[in-house]
Amino acid sequence: DTAVSQTPKYLVTQMGNDKSIKCEQNLGHDTMYWYKQDSKKFLKIMFSYNNKELIINETVPNRFSPKSPDKAHLNLHINSLELGDSAVYFCASSQSTGAWKGFFGQGTRLTVV
Amino acid sequence: QKEVEQDPGPLSVPEGAIVSLNCTYSNSAFQYFMWYRQYSRKGPELLMYTYSSGNKEDGRFTAQVDKSSKYISLFIRDSQPSDSATYLCAMMNGGATNKLIFGTGTLLAVQP
Repeated sequence: DTAVSQTPKYLVTQMGNDKSIKCEQNLGHDTMYWYKQDSKKFLKIMFSYNNKELIINETVPNRFSPKSPDKAHLNLHINSLELGDSAVYFCASSQSTGAWKGFFGQGTRLTVV
Repeated sequence: QKEVEQDPGPLSVPEGAIVSLNCTYSNSAFQYFMWYRQYSRKGPELLMYTYSSGNKEDGRFTAQVDKSSKYISLFIRDSQPSDSATYLCAMMNGGATNKLIFGTGTLLAVQP
């Protein structure tokens, strides 16, 4: 059973389109994250939700809107896609208490053409 | 200057060698230190987790944290071709947000 699963795995779309990436975790964690990994492999946090509440919102264009319908799901919607949005987007989850056990999904490779 | 600095490599070693990977950081508030391994086209997986200064060993892997020097290391003994991956250091303050700050990753190739 996959702990943190993201769909789709690959996404190729044209500039200006709107797209969504979905994430689900079955670990019972209370915190979920979106990270962006650029072409140089640098991972940077975008958002974090704890029990459906937004707790981290980094300097991200407001074209990116996360949504957490429940603590097991965190989706990312991107409006008006730009070439610079091309990257790999990773979802992650952890428990806010106790020793850190951060699990990452397999990533969604977004290519904007 | 980035909060976490890591030599991107690539680092190429023969099978069986001892590998040393390092990161330096500037934020003295960091208390939790991790190493992640990322295979090509896969998500990062947690290898080692350390709280504050000290050493931690897990099989062939040893993590060291020196908070006074703001320097962390990961040693891999008896390296195997299957260890070939990108190794990312990460750290955080702790507290409510658990915001991980990553290094840029070091690409390691272990030659058979």
